Amino acid sequence: QKEVEQDPGPLSVPEGAIVSLNCTYSNSAFQYFMWYRQYSRKGPELLMYTYSSGNKEDGRFTAQVDKSSKYISLFIRDSQPSDSATYLCAMTTDSWGKLQFGAGTQVVVTP
Amino acid sequence: NAGVTQTPKFQVLKTGQSMTLQCAQDMNHEYMSWYRQDPGMGLRLIHYSVGAGITDQGEVPNGYNVSRSTTEDFPLRLLSAAPSQTSVYFCASRVGGRTSYNEQFFGPGTRLTVL
Repeated sequence: QKEVEQDPGPLSVPEGAIVSLNCTYSNSAFQYFMWYRQYSRKGPELLMYTYSSGNKEDGRFTAQVDKSSKYISLFIRDSQPSDSATYLCAMTTDSWGKLQFGAGTQVVVTP
Repeated sequence: NAGVTQTPKFQVLKTGQSMTLQCAQDMNHEYMSWYRQDPGMGLRLIHYSVGAGITDQGEVPNGYNVSRSTTEDFPLRLLSAAPSQTSVYFCASRVGGRTSYNEQFFGPGTRLTVL
């Protein structure tokens, strides 16, 4: 079983809707959690970075971490067609440690 | 800054051929790594380096070699290509050491097909 599980989608939503993405993990030692966005045929780019449990907001993006449930989420409000991409979760035990990635969820926002 | 660059963008090999995927970064990052990305598998770490002259294996190292003679460059060598190595390869770099912020910067990728 993979350490990090993520539904590959695709997830199709109309423009303006809220996109909800999530990952589950099995290693309770993970403390640092990241979301990467990857456009088609491009490299991933860091979107959100959180430490331990709690929420973090950046513009239209909100990342949530629930360590007790080993569950992390990413919400995108007022979604735009430009948000169409694959979103990968990643996590590590130490901030300098090796990352474990989820499989990525493909999101399609239709105008 | 160009960031992380990779060459070639695309490559087709025959089984048994060897080749080197090039990776360079101009951010003076100590830590560099190679990942492969396959459908449904996410990014898996092949090899990584914490500085010039120091490399180590990741999750899926078999069939690949690396070396790090300079801070800037981190080439990945396929010794004898196999169809199972058909994938998209990403190079990444970040600041080294025990930092509180672990942002990795990824290159644009190399799409490799092995026939």
